[in-house]
Amino acid sequence: SYELTQPLSVSVALGQTARITCGGNNIGSKNVHWYQQKPGQAPVLVIYRDTDRPSGIPERFSGSNSGNTATLTISRAQAGDEADYYCQVWDSSTAVFGGGTKLTVL
Amino acid sequence: EVQLVESGGGLVQPGGSLRLSCAASGFIVSSYYMSWVRQAPGKGLEWVSVIYSGDITYYADSVKGRFTISRDNSKNTMYVQMNSLRSEDTAVYYCARGYCSGGNCYPTPFESWGQGTLVTVSS
Repeated sequence: SYELTQPLSVSVALGQTARITCGGNNIGSKNVHWYQQKPGQAPVLVIYRDTDRPSGIPERFSGSNSGNTATLTISRAQAGDEADYYCQVWDSSTAVFGGGTKLTVL
Repeated sequence: EVQLVESGGGLVQPGGSLRLSCAASGFIVSSYYMSWVRQAPGKGLEWVSVIYSGDITYYADSVKGRFTISRDNSKNTMYVQMNSLRSEDTAVYYCARGYCSGGNCYPTPFESWGQGTLVTVSS
C-alpha cells in the first residue's frame, strides 16, 4: 500500500516561512491535498491538486509537488497557523494520509 | 451553505455494533463521493470508506468485512454500519465530501467535513 511520510514537527519564527514536506514514491505523479487541523476542530482543506487554494484560504499558503516530495509552504507565518497539517493522496481506490506534522510558531 | 452533521456515536462494548449517520444539507449527497474518515485520540487521520455515485463502495483494510457504508438519497444522509467493533476502532468519526469541478467529480480532496462524532469501544 502507498505510504506518505511527514516530519513529526516543524517550527517557524513568527513572520517567517514554514515548509512542511510529504514524501512518497513518485508522489509527483499524484494529486496532493493538504489539510489544516486545529485542536478540537475538524480538518480544513488548505491546498488541493498540489497548488490550488480553496476560496477563503490566504495566499500565504502555497504548495508544490515534484519527484518524491510534495511541500506545503506557509509564508509570513502567524500564530493562528499553529496546527497539525496532513498531506493526502488518492491511490488504488483508497485515500492515504500522511502521519501529520505539528507546526509550532515561535 | 454546505453542512454535514454526524450523529450516532457513543460507548459500545467490544464485539458490539453501532450505526453512524451523516446528514447533509446545501447539496445532494448522491451527486458526490462521500467518505468516512476517523481519528483515534491523539493520532492522525485515517480514511475508512467511500461511497460513489452508483453505490460503488471501497473500504480500508482495517474495517473491511466489518463496516458497511450506505446512503439514503431520500433523506440526503450517509451511514456507516459498524459491526464487530474493537478497541482500536475508538475514534472521532468524520464524514467528508469529495470534490466536483467542471462536471466531473472526484473522491478527494475532502472539500467539506462534519464536526465529527466520538465512538468509544470499551468494556
